[in-house]
Amino acid sequence: RKEVEQDPGPFNVPEGATVAFNCTYSNSASQSFFWYRQDCRKEPKLLMSVYSSGNEDGRFTAQLNRASQYISLLIRDSKLSDSATYLCVVNIGYSTLTFGKGTMLLVSP
Amino acid sequence: DADVTQTPRNRITKTGKRIMLECSQTKGHDRMYWYRQDPGLGLRLIYYSFDVKDINKGEISDGYSVSRQAQAKFSLSLESAIPNQTALYFCATSDSSRSYEQYFGPGTRLTVT
Repeated sequence: RKEVEQDPGPFNVPEGATVAFNCTYSNSASQSFFWYRQDCRKEPKLLMSVYSSGNEDGRFTAQLNRASQYISLLIRDSKLSDSATYLCVVNIGYSTLTFGKGTMLLVSP
Repeated sequence: DADVTQTPRNRITKTGKRIMLECSQTKGHDRMYWYRQDPGLGLRLIYYSFDVKDINKGEISDGYSVSRQAQAKFSLSLESAIPNQTALYFCATSDSSRSYEQYFGPGTRLTVT
């Protein structure tokens, strides 16, 4: 079983739509969780951290469910500029990061 | 100027050649990383360094070596390149106090023919 699993997509949504991605992780010892964003042929960049209590940053909401070992990202009011690949990232032991393969989002006019 | 730079940005080389990819950073971070990214496989960690005297193997270190010449410089070498090392290579840095927030360079697209 892969350490971090994501649906590769693509998720095709119109502007203004709400879209959600899930990610599951296999190692119950995972300490912390993040979403990174990667535009086509560009470097990944940290989007947001994911906390047990859930956290929100503008149109983006991240949730963590430790019991079920999954992480979610919700994007409201999608913009064309949200088109990218979203990487689910897990940190085990505060040393290195394990990246999921990513979920591609395409927002159309 | 970019905080994390990589050279070269693109390279085509032949099987068996030695090649070095270089990474420099001006962020003052102590930790540096090398990843490769392949379609369908995601980002995989090759080597990482938590300070100048600390080098660690990642998930896929076979066929690669690294050198941490200074806090700001971390080089990746392919001693004898092979076609399945064709990939997009990223260098990243982080501060030990926020190691989860990694800053990536723009990447080096390497093709081994």
